[in-house]
Amino acid sequence: DAGITQSPRHKVTETGTPVTLRCHQTENHRYMYWYRQDPGHGLRLIHYSYGVKDTDKGEVSDGYSVSRSKTEDFLLTLESATSSQTSVYFCAISGDSSSNQPQHFGDGTRLSIL
Amino acid sequence: GDSVTQMEGPVTLSEEAFLTINCTYTATGYPSLFWYVQYPGEGLQLLLKATKADDKGSNKGFEATYRKETTSFHLEKGSVQVSDSAVYFCALHQGGSEKLVFGKGTKLTVNP
Repeated sequence: DAGITQSPRHKVTETGTPVTLRCHQTENHRYMYWYRQDPGHGLRLIHYSYGVKDTDKGEVSDGYSVSRSKTEDFLLTLESATSSQTSVYFCAISGDSSSNQPQHFGDGTRLSIL
Repeated sequence: GDSVTQMEGPVTLSEEAFLTINCTYTATGYPSLFWYVQYPGEGLQLLLKATKADDKGSNKGFEATYRKETTSFHLEKGSVQVSDSAVYFCALHQGGSEKLVFGKGTKLTVNP
């Protein structure tokens, strides 16, 4: 299995609080991604990174920010959590952007915002 | 933009039944196509892929053929097992893009 660790695995917090999710990889892959998974929507891309300090927005980036200060860590921050951000969040990694290097996924973080 | 449409679920089958999960796509050019599987409580795992027209991807008894003329990549298995119960996602990757485009997923339950 690809070496991807997401933390925490579960979190319950209140509306308006800041939340940071961490994705750590041991594969030295260049690309890292954050998705959210919701019933009826499948997986939707929030942000991705193509290198240290290089990030870009996905289709549902509003209300989220990311940082990548070193190759192995990609952080997703909800500055002020809202109930609509209750979801399961997945991190994925890939060696490059071609189809020859498919994305590998972590086990997810279940986030509940009350 | 590019999109993937999967058959609505959930799908419930008896063990040893034949499985088909339909997937069609809309894309410019010639994307690569993937099936991912998600077991309960886990992340997605790549099941199989095909990178050009008429390619057949296969793994663990599952197969899918890239049909350019019908823009389809249907997933099939001849005899499902209880352990195949999972959510299956069809996805495409467009050359030159960093992103995967996913379908909404199809939940499969196989009963003994």
